[in-house]
Amino acid sequence: SQQGEEDPQALSIQEGENATMNCSYKTSINNLQWYRQNSGRGLVHLILIRSNEREKHSGRLRVTLDTSKKSSSLLITASRAADTASYFCATGLNTGFQKLVFGTGTRLLVSP
Amino acid sequence: DTEVTQTPKHLVMGMTNKKSLKCEQHMGHRAMYWYKQKAKKPPELMFVYSYEKLSINESVPSRFSPECPNSSLLNLHLHALQPEDSALYLCASSHGLAGGSRGNTIYFGEGSWLTVV
Repeated sequence: SQQGEEDPQALSIQEGENATMNCSYKTSINNLQWYRQNSGRGLVHLILIRSNEREKHSGRLRVTLDTSKKSSSLLITASRAADTASYFCATGLNTGFQKLVFGTGTRLLVSP
Repeated sequence: DTEVTQTPKHLVMGMTNKKSLKCEQHMGHRAMYWYKQKAKKPPELMFVYSYEKLSINESVPSRFSPECPNSSLLNLHLHALQPEDSALYLCASSHGLAGGSRGNTIYFGEGSWLTVV
């Protein structure tokens, strides 16, 4: 079963708008990472936030983490057509086995 | 551009064939992974190697057999696969295990598209 559920499953916006994706997870985590995947390609790491952190920024990306609610959000500001991709959260599990489990993903379409 | 190289990019094999997927990284990473991804689904972890030893097998059928000949190479041997095994197979590596408190970043290859006929 998936550790992370992402919401929305799909998001369609215009260039220049902000895109927000949410990730909820079930068990205790060490870290949470966001990855991007262009269609049929490998995944690219975007940003990592550790369980003791609440917010991180990287360029146009802002990630928040609320461990009490077991949720995270990824905000992409001033989106561009090139941001069109699938975005996955991945949780680093704190269960004795150190593995990264991917959520269901959000498909983002940014129209010019 | 990825520093994890996977070959072949595309593979078509019959259900009685034996084939292998290969993966190579030269970043000095000590953890390597195989993930399987079906269309419009997230990657699913199959195997994790740490310091060339298998540390996680996510109950993968024995028709998939991983091998880590050295710290730079990771193979996935395929035998007697089923059509439902058709998917994108992603190799990845990280400096240390990605799920730990240090939070190591995983670097993915571009994947090998496998079609079983």
